Amino acid sequence: SQQGEEDPQALSIQEGENATMNCSYKTSINNLQWYRQNSGRGLVHLILIRSNEREKHSGRLRVTLDTSKKSSSLLITASRAADTASYFCATDARGYGQNFVFGPGTRLSVLP
Amino acid sequence: NAGVTQTPKFQVLKTGQSMTLQCAQDMNHEYMSWYRQDPGMGLRLIHYSVGAGITDQGEVPNGYNVSRSTTEDFPLRLLSAAPSQTSVYFCASSYRDAAYEQYFGPGTRLTVT
Repeated sequence: SQQGEEDPQALSIQEGENATMNCSYKTSINNLQWYRQNSGRGLVHLILIRSNEREKHSGRLRVTLDTSKKSSSLLITASRAADTASYFCATDARGYGQNFVFGPGTRLSVLP
Repeated sequence: NAGVTQTPKFQVLKTGQSMTLQCAQDMNHEYMSWYRQDPGMGLRLIHYSVGAGITDQGEVPNGYNVSRSTTEDFPLRLLSAAPSQTSVYFCASSYRDAAYEQYFGPGTRLTVT
């Protein structure tokens, strides 16, 4: 089963609205990362949050981490059409060795 | 810096053929990895390496071999292609391990008929 699971699987919003995606995981982690993938392209790193952090910001992105609930959320504020992409969370799940485990992703569509 | 490069971009193989997907990075990263991505799914780890001469299996290693003779290169070999290996393959690298952000290549779209 997946270590990380994003929710929802798909999200459609209007330009200017905020988009929130959630990620849940099963085992303890050292850090959690969010990536974006435009259609047919490689993944691009957005933000990394460590297990001892609760919130991080980067431009229009806000990531929170709740280790007690084993969950994280990614908030994109004032969304733009260019934000249309798939968003993945990835964890360095302890017990999986020195590697990343990706969730299945959330497909975000921002309509103009 | 070119970052992470992958060749070829597209490949069609017949069942039973073998081939090597090339991956190179010019960032002096210790950690390199190969993933496959199937439609509508996240990435699954095939093999990874934490440095030259060191490789290990990921979640879905069967049917694939890797080697890491230099820091820069991390080729993925398909031994005997099967239709189930039809996928998009991504190579990635990071400074040391999963505690650091990964840089991804553009991907290789492989079709096995």
